[in-house]
Amino acid sequence: EVQLVQSGGGLVQSGGSLRLSCVASGFIFNNYWMAWVRQAPGKGLEFVTKTNGDGSEKYHVDSVKGRFTISRDNAWNSLYLQMNNLRVDDTAVYYCVRDPAYSAFDVWGQGTMVTVSS
Amino acid sequence: DVVMTQSPLSLPVTLGQPASISCRSSQSIVHSDGNIYLHWFQQRPGQSPRRLIYKVSNRDSGVPDRFSGSGSGTDFTLKISRVEAEDIGVYYCLQGANWPTFGQGTKVEI
Repeated sequence: EVQLVQSGGGLVQSGGSLRLSCVASGFIFNNYWMAWVRQAPGKGLEFVTKTNGDGSEKYHVDSVKGRFTISRDNAWNSLYLQMNNLRVDDTAVYYCVRDPAYSAFDVWGQGTMVTVSS
Repeated sequence: DVVMTQSPLSLPVTLGQPASISCRSSQSIVHSDGNIYLHWFQQRPGQSPRRLIYKVSNRDSGVPDRFSGSGSGTDFTLKISRVEAEDIGVYYCLQGANWPTFGQGTKVEI
């Protein structure tokens, strides 16, 4: 079964750091771009960042540039999101997603809540 | 960035009746390779989103055939031929030809 299982998240103060993890199974991990999408409470979906199969290409939305870093460890079928200097408006559920091509996000993790307090 | 505008944002439905959601892009999202990377997602209450339709009109495996996608250029539509109770939730369009951008979401409710 193809699945993404997320961990990490929680409550952190503004300016703090968190690391999210996502373990993939059921497919050849390094064949796929992977991404993070977030959803603020009661709001819509927002693309955050993505990386290619070997991690050599990375793209981040402007609002997180310089603060968030996406990375992957293909030996462990794992995707990570390092979030530094967190802000209150980063509060959201973060989803790990598989991107087969052109953001056709076809597999989603269960989501993990990140709450940033002031 | 390309702006995706959905309408309506709230869609009251009647079970067994058809429903339609519009998604318009602020500019053409036809990729240089000729494909249109416009996708539709469903998010049921309390669940992660799931993809229903990819590249305008291709239904994902396991998606009921009452769901269909169509459109071209800048105008796209998701149709439900006969709404069932399990279709309640929020629907999003997403364009992936450029920097990926979602529509605001359309809440389908009884």
